[in-house]
Amino acid sequence: NAGVTQTPKFRILKIGQSMTLQCTQDMNHNYMYWYRQDPGMGLKLIYYSVGAGITDKGEVPNGYNVSRSTTEDFPLRLELAAPSQTSVYFCASSQTDSNQPQHFGDGTRLSIL
Amino acid sequence: GEDVEQSLFLSVREGDSSVINCTYTDSSSTYLYWYKQEPGAGLQLLTYIFSNMDMKQDQRLTVLLNKKDKHLSLRIADTQTGDSAIYFCAEKGAGGFKTIFGAGTRLFVKA
Repeated sequence: NAGVTQTPKFRILKIGQSMTLQCTQDMNHNYMYWYRQDPGMGLKLIYYSVGAGITDKGEVPNGYNVSRSTTEDFPLRLELAAPSQTSVYFCASSQTDSNQPQHFGDGTRLSIL
Repeated sequence: GEDVEQSLFLSVREGDSSVINCTYTDSSSTYLYWYKQEPGAGLQLLTYIFSNMDMKQDQRLTVLLNKKDKHLSLRIADTQTGDSAIYFCAEKGAGGFKTIFGAGTRLFVKA
């Protein structure tokens, strides 16, 4: 009963490096989301997807890119990492029905030094 | 844009009741959620309420909704040390799939 799986759990990057945060779900959910959580703040939506091949920007998309080639996978790409991107990143998914809540992964803790 | 606000901290003694409050601005909210986040983990759905309901009870949890004042509360009866966590209030608007989250209330339970 995996649900939403994120890898890696922790990562330290140097300024200017790039990396991809992986997210996969096994619940056949159409909707997937990427959030960042900064200390004392709520979740900020980075990107979301309503199905394979369809993605759209959230509140804070700058510095990130996503792709959705399959229903299961929704990777988040950081290009040219900056200290402001130090955060905890959460991936979530939900069913198409609007009353269904989001299911979250355990997060990726990312530090940019 | 729409907003969800919560107080940041709450401290209670073990065995007491905890009440976590939340206000939201979206008058078209259809579903309101409470999530729990334990250290090092993701958010887990605790309970949710439809906007046409006033109250929902689920074991030790009671959710109260005042739609007129756009106020949501979560009451945890007989609070235990295992309830120490961050609790997020969230709302979803009509016809949408985006969810707006509050900043979270950190609950401390003293033994």
